Amino acid sequence: ETGVTQTPRHLVMGMTNKKSLKCEQHLGHNAMYWYKQSAKKPLELMFVYNFKEQTENNSVPSRFSPECPNSSHLFLHLHTLQPEDSALYLCASSRGSGGEREQYFGPGTRLTVT
Amino acid sequence: KQEVTQIPAALSVPEGENLVLNCSFTDSAIYNLQWFRQDPGKGLTSLLLIQSSQREQTSGRLNASLDKSSGRSTLYIAASQPGDSATYLCAGFTSGTYKYIFGTGTRLKVLA
Repeated sequence: ETGVTQTPRHLVMGMTNKKSLKCEQHLGHNAMYWYKQSAKKPLELMFVYNFKEQTENNSVPSRFSPECPNSSHLFLHLHTLQPEDSALYLCASSRGSGGEREQYFGPGTRLTVT
Repeated sequence: KQEVTQIPAALSVPEGENLVLNCSFTDSAIYNLQWFRQDPGKGLTSLLLIQSSQREQTSGRLNASLDKSSGRSTLYIAASQPGDSATYLCAGFTSGTYKYIFGTGTRLKVLA
């Protein structure tokens, strides 16, 4: 596979469930990102990892827990979510976390919380 | 707080027209800017990146420019085609926030 992949593509979960989103990049990049895209709102940056270290947590509730075991993989662990957390969750990567680097996005996971 | 406005919010045009999409930032201290395309239910595809030392970039029928003094960027699409139908997003990297801030997008429909 090439580029940035995300699994699953669609996820429906109850508020008491625990699930995880997975992202993998095959571009040799060092930085990885989680974004949330809700209807009629701009993309919101959630987390940034650079060389496996978290460099940004954009005031995200603790029910979202990121994990970056290496520069190619990024997870978002979900637990006790709320219906307003339903959104498209996008993963991205870039060669570095500085602004001069082009960001490449995965196809997203469409999450529905019931 | 940096905010990004994209005008128009939606646009429907006949095939063959030349188009201009606009993006403006409340804080003009933009380091660089990236334009993306998003198809329904899909991720973002990078179209053009204007880096800090550049004023514009071109790729095929697309041309993007950035005026840092005013905090405005323009995406020009020449000879539009039905395959160009998508939502176009701009994102600016500002030195103040040290992260990309996204606009809400322009939803484009090109009619055959």
